[in-house]
Amino acid sequence: DGGITQSPKYLFRKEGQNVTLSCEQNLNHDAMYWYRQDPGQGLRLIYYSQIVNDFQKGDIAEGYSVSREKKESFPLTVTSAQKNPTAFYLCASDRGMNTEAFFGQGTRLTVV
Amino acid sequence: QKEVEQDPGPLSVPEGAIVSLNCTYSNSAFQYFMWYRQYSRKGPELLMYTYSSGNKEDGRFTAQVDKSSKYISLFIRDSQPSDSATYLCAMIPMEYGNKLVFGAGTILRVKS
Repeated sequence: DGGITQSPKYLFRKEGQNVTLSCEQNLNHDAMYWYRQDPGQGLRLIYYSQIVNDFQKGDIAEGYSVSREKKESFPLTVTSAQKNPTAFYLCASDRGMNTEAFFGQGTRLTVV
Repeated sequence: QKEVEQDPGPLSVPEGAIVSLNCTYSNSAFQYFMWYRQYSRKGPELLMYTYSSGNKEDGRFTAQVDKSSKYISLFIRDSQPSDSATYLCAMIPMEYGNKLVFGAGTILRVKS
C-alpha cells in the first residue's frame, strides 16, 4: 500500500527543546517537501529535496533543519530557534519536474 | 500582492448545488495547476491536475484553466455534505522547478 507516512500525529514540545518529525514514503519519489500550515495562511514551504543528500531552503526555513540520507526518508527538526513552532506540518513527495505532489496526513506540533 | 489569490470563504451551499471555487494568479510562468481537498486535521488530497487551458472533467469535478486571464476554477456538481472541506489551489512556476505555490484555501460547507 503505497503512500507517505508522517509520525507522530500529535507532538508536544517544551520551550527550548528540539523535536524531530518523521516522514517516510514508499512511492519511489525523488522529491520530498516540508510545509507548514497555519490557519488562514495556506501552506508555506520550509525545505525541499530533489535528490538524496541534497536539499534547499524554502520560504520559511529559519529555525528548521532537515536531512535526506535515504530516498524514502526526509525528517524535519524544529529547533529551539523557531520562535513560533505551533502549527500543522505536512510532508509531500513527487516524481520530479512538474508532477503532482502527494501529501502525508500531517503532524500537529504544539508548544507547551 | 500574493502570487496566488483565493477567497477563504466560508462558502455555504445547499446539498445538490453546483459549487464554483476560484483562484487568480499573477505570475504568467505558472503552467501546471492542481486542486486539493483537505478535511479538518488531515493532509491535502489531490483532486485534479491539469496543464492546459480549457476544461478537464473527472466525475463530479471539472477543473477549468484560463491562462490568458490567469484564472482557474474548480466546479463541483451535485454537491454533497461529504464535500465539506477546504479546497486548495496550487500551481507550479516553470522557472522554479517543481516548487508548488498554494492559495490560502476556500472553506466549503454543503448543508443537507
